[in-house]
Amino acid sequence: GAVVSQHPSRVICKSGTSVKIECRSLDFQATTMFWYRQFPKKSLMLMATSNEGSKATYEQGVEKDKFLINHASLTLSTLTVTSAHPEDSSFYICSARFLNGQGARDTQYFGPGTRLTVL
Amino acid sequence: AQKVTQAQTEISVVEKEDVTLDCVYETRDTTYYLFWYKQPPSGELVFLIRRNSFDEQNEISGRYSWNFQKSTSSFNFTITASQVVDSAVYFCALSEARSGTYKYIFGTGTRLKVLA
Repeated sequence: GAVVSQHPSRVICKSGTSVKIECRSLDFQATTMFWYRQFPKKSLMLMATSNEGSKATYEQGVEKDKFLINHASLTLSTLTVTSAHPEDSSFYICSARFLNGQGARDTQYFGPGTRLTVL
Repeated sequence: AQKVTQAQTEISVVEKEDVTLDCVYETRDTTYYLFWYKQPPSGELVFLIRRNSFDEQNEISGRYSWNFQKSTSSFNFTITASQVVDSAVYFCALSEARSGTYKYIFGTGTRLKVLA
């Protein structure tokens, strides 16, 4: 089946630094990638929808300048947390929706997540 | 408005028991998709099933079965003869075709603990 990878799986950084998280679809081309944030024992909160070659669409309340999303190719999307602060500590998960014929097009396949800790 | 309700926050069962996880949804769309995902302690969401609104057939996959009933807007998930490895958080999700965005509305999840 479809596989999505994320890198890094875990990152610890100092307050004020920027952190980049990569989301890659392996073997498949992703028309759309989604970025979620999950707090402990909570559901997933959609942050933004990213389409290849165009600007990301952010959900209400998500700061575009804080969470920069780039979807440069059909297999790679990146999320950069700029000037990270302790309140940005969370579990970030990406998902991908694939081109027709590569998995059901309405189904999202999730990456393993990235745990960010900001000291 | 679209909404997914998983009323059971946490369920504990003893191994080999059957357990049903409830999912109730709200949507005005006639074309929509329902999903179940498993999130084990490792954190990765594992896709379990997708069902479109026109297919009300129940499905069985090994020890897993799903009961989709449009009349009650429910898409319940049953694990038969539960095992410790089934311990995880299970999420139900809804996607509406009309929006064209394929965004998911997630339920709050049900944490299942299977005790040996």
